[in-house]
Amino acid sequence: EIVLTQSPGTLSLSPGERATLSCRASQSVSNNYLAWYQQKPGQAPRLLIYGASNRATGIPDRFSGSGSGTDFTLTISRLEPEDFAVYYCQQYGSSPRTFGQGTRLEI
Amino acid sequence: QVQLVESGGGLVKPGGSLRLSCAASGFTFSGYYMSWIRQAPGKGLEWISYIDSSGTTIYYADSVKGRFTISRDNAKNSLYLEMNSLRAEDTAIYYCTREGGYFYYWGQGTLVTVSS
Repeated sequence: EIVLTQSPGTLSLSPGERATLSCRASQSVSNNYLAWYQQKPGQAPRLLIYGASNRATGIPDRFSGSGSGTDFTLTISRLEPEDFAVYYCQQYGSSPRTFGQGTRLEI
Repeated sequence: QVQLVESGGGLVKPGGSLRLSCAASGFTFSGYYMSWIRQAPGKGLEWISYIDSSGTTIYYADSVKGRFTISRDNAKNSLYLEMNSLRAEDTAIYYCTREGGYFYYWGQGTLVTVSS
């Protein structure tokens, strides 16, 4: 199974700043089938990015995904107050689907 | 619009059983693969089971294999998760999701607590 390791565990930033979140896979993710989710307290996760770099419907363009193979990045260009949440990466290139442990983005 | 509504969670003793249901609407349920994903309190996300559109291809995470059974009733637009031999570590919110490799649609989740 592919293990996804996210870093940092917690990222402390301010509104208006740029956030860079990392997701590293234990082996290459087939077809760059890597997704990113945002989760706020008491809510289900929300899909942000799929296929490493494709924004899901309705996701603001300040969110962008990049990377390939084993190294992937989620970038939030200018943080809005509503962006402070937990972010997870997930691979779906091989079974079983696996998630990273999450990065908490806090003010 | 797509809606997934889970039900059936609750408090159960270790070794007990529970059946979760997910009512789907707003899309052609019989045309989509579905998955269950869970999240222990304060922890991350764990995919636990997948079923194809006809119910013939099924996968489980090792953590639940042999104890949990996923099924579906396309006539009722419903997904199920039969959980047996429950353990404390199965305590989590269980989410029903529509499969696409990635998970775009999620239910609100149902809480399962395994405790004596």
